[in-house]
Amino acid sequence: DQQVKQNSPSLSVQEGRISILNCDYTNSMFDYFLWYKKYPAEGPTFLISISSIKDKNEDGRFTVFLNKSAKHLSLHIVPSQPGDSAVYFCAASTRITGGFKTIFGAGTRLFVKA
Amino acid sequence: DTAVSQTPKYLVTQMGNDKSIKCEQNLGHDTMYWYKQDSKKFLKIMFSYNNKELIINETVPNRFSPKSPDKAHLNLHINSLELGDSAVYFCASSQGGLAVTDTQYFGPGTRLTVL
Repeated sequence: DQQVKQNSPSLSVQEGRISILNCDYTNSMFDYFLWYKKYPAEGPTFLISISSIKDKNEDGRFTVFLNKSAKHLSLHIVPSQPGDSAVYFCAASTRITGGFKTIFGAGTRLFVKA
Repeated sequence: DTAVSQTPKYLVTQMGNDKSIKCEQNLGHDTMYWYKQDSKKFLKIMFSYNNKELIINETVPNRFSPKSPDKAHLNLHINSLELGDSAVYFCASSQGGLAVTDTQYFGPGTRLTVL
């Protein structure tokens, strides 16, 4: 049972426009939500996160929105650039004894066309 | 200077063999992880260690044995390799239990192919 779902395997956007990547989760116990970006043949790299007590976090061109009642979060990239073309993983984290447990979604591949 | 490194990057081996993947982090983190990314591209947690102690052990066959000689290293040994073990294995580290969030830093991955 996937607790974190990214239902769009891919997304294509024109350079300069907004990219919106979506993520749904099922477990209301998650404390933090994170987005990671992954280029081919590399490991994922952290992009931005949001606490479960917030509804928005912004960092430059990247903004994450959290709708707890809908158990939904989204990542907005404005303006999109060709270098943003990558796979984006949504992740949700909860505290456990000794640390954290983080569940990842399947990823959405973003193509930004020049 | 690489923060999280894994060796080897590629590993091709026959069914039934035993192999190891090594991971080292120089970030001073307390927690390290192993993930498996299968053909469907899901990143699935396998193990997590905090200060050399096992804190997560997902339903992974006991042919997989993690070893943490110190908190900067988490190695993965796999016995009797099977075709279904073919995947990309990622090591990661994070600050650990006292941190506010679990921001993880990933290695470049090890692509394991079992023939």
